[in-house]
Amino acid sequence: KAGVTQTPRYLIKTRGQQVTLSCSPISGHRSVSWYQQTPGQGLQFLFEYFSETQRNKGNFPGRFSGRQFSNSRSEMNVSTLELGDSALYLCASSLRNLQETQYFGPGTRLLVL
Amino acid sequence: GQNIDQPTEMTATEGAIVQINCTYQTSGFNGLFWYQQHAGEAPTFLSYNVLDGLEEKGRFSSFLSRSKGYSYLLLKELQMKDSASYLCAVRPSGNTPLVFGKGTRLSVIA
Repeated sequence: KAGVTQTPRYLIKTRGQQVTLSCSPISGHRSVSWYQQTPGQGLQFLFEYFSETQRNKGNFPGRFSGRQFSNSRSEMNVSTLELGDSALYLCASSLRNLQETQYFGPGTRLLVL
Repeated sequence: GQNIDQPTEMTATEGAIVQINCTYQTSGFNGLFWYQQHAGEAPTFLSYNVLDGLEEKGRFSSFLSRSKGYSYLLLKELQMKDSASYLCAVRPSGNTPLVFGKGTRLSVIA
């Protein structure tokens, strides 16, 4: 079975721009979660989607948003980028919910200049 | 609040044994995961403990004491490829996200 895939793998943006990241979960997995990973804060939960609905949300500002499509693929969007948004953005999928074993994608490394 | 503590860095010698500790204080407890993350790569699942005791899986073992809010990951016969970050993550109560520690970066030296 193919693993979780994320595109693009690397991105460089400037402050004020917006960015869209894409995630394709493992086939059959319906829960998709997004995490931000930085050296200082570690892995922090952004949100979880299931059946095209946001089911859980972390403590991030409204500039961070996401959606899920009927095939379980998910996108996350960050608007009005700030320098502090530079991070590795990881997508993880699981069968039903975010408390199960999370299977992570390779991540998108975002650098904001 | 949710708090997970792990050492930031550890160094060990090839062939040796290393123990990576994790202590946690969370809103309820439904289990604890260990993940391995090589630099620039995705975290990969290593182990899951929900009951007290030791779970062994090849060279890796994980221990849990729920009463002490404590877990450790034991790596035996260390190899250079074990150089990675090791993340401890707790399942709190309810349908809430896993809480991750900041990870322990392990360097295996010859």
